[in-house]
Amino acid sequence: AQKVTQAQTEISVVEKEDVTLDCVYETRDTTYYLFWYKQPPSGELVFLIRRNSFDEQNEISGRYSWNFQKSTSSFNFTITASQVVDSAVYFCALNLRDSSYKLIFGSGTRLLVRP
Amino acid sequence: DAGITQSPRHKVTETGTPVTLRCHQTENHRYMYWYRQDPGHGLRLIHYSYGVKDTDKGEVSDGYSVSRSKTEDFLLTLESATSSQTSVYFCAISETGSSGRYNEQFFGPGTRLTVL
Repeated sequence: AQKVTQAQTEISVVEKEDVTLDCVYETRDTTYYLFWYKQPPSGELVFLIRRNSFDEQNEISGRYSWNFQKSTSSFNFTITASQVVDSAVYFCALNLRDSSYKLIFGSGTRLLVRP
Repeated sequence: DAGITQSPRHKVTETGTPVTLRCHQTENHRYMYWYRQDPGHGLRLIHYSYGVKDTDKGEVSDGYSVSRSKTEDFLLTLESATSSQTSVYFCAISETGSSGRYNEQFFGPGTRLTVL
């Protein structure tokens, strides 16, 4: 079965704290892609990162970093020195390598960054 | 930003009435998708299209139908709306390259549908 689990429903931090959002996935495929999307209060979905199953290198983009570990089927997302503008719902998603190329989403983690 | 629009952006309707949501893209992408977003479920796929007149079901397709007569338009129809179809509906587009490399999906702004 293909599944994405985001066990943290809601996280609240104070500005400038570091925060890690967890994502655990299940798939039998050996080739797959993982994604993170951000949904701010305005409601749109913003693409953050794509990672393929052959590339386990961690990635850093400004205050954002991602830790991909195939051994634990996890793709965690860390925000360093969080800011109020980071407040949003964050979704982790798994791409199915079938004819649909559809995404399987986790249920999302709501992050609240308090000033 | 990817050129994706959805119409209407908000709609309130009554149980039993038909509703059609439209997704329009200007990117000439092959794949188009309809998802619904509900609290606690993230986004779930309703239907998708892999070309003009080529569509298939997703995991929550009951009560929905789709059509794609042009590359740029993907319509989602609720034949007889029910209160359980109250949700936010997102359209997405994507393209795969000739090498089969999968590209990210870009999402439209969403349509908030309320069925009373």
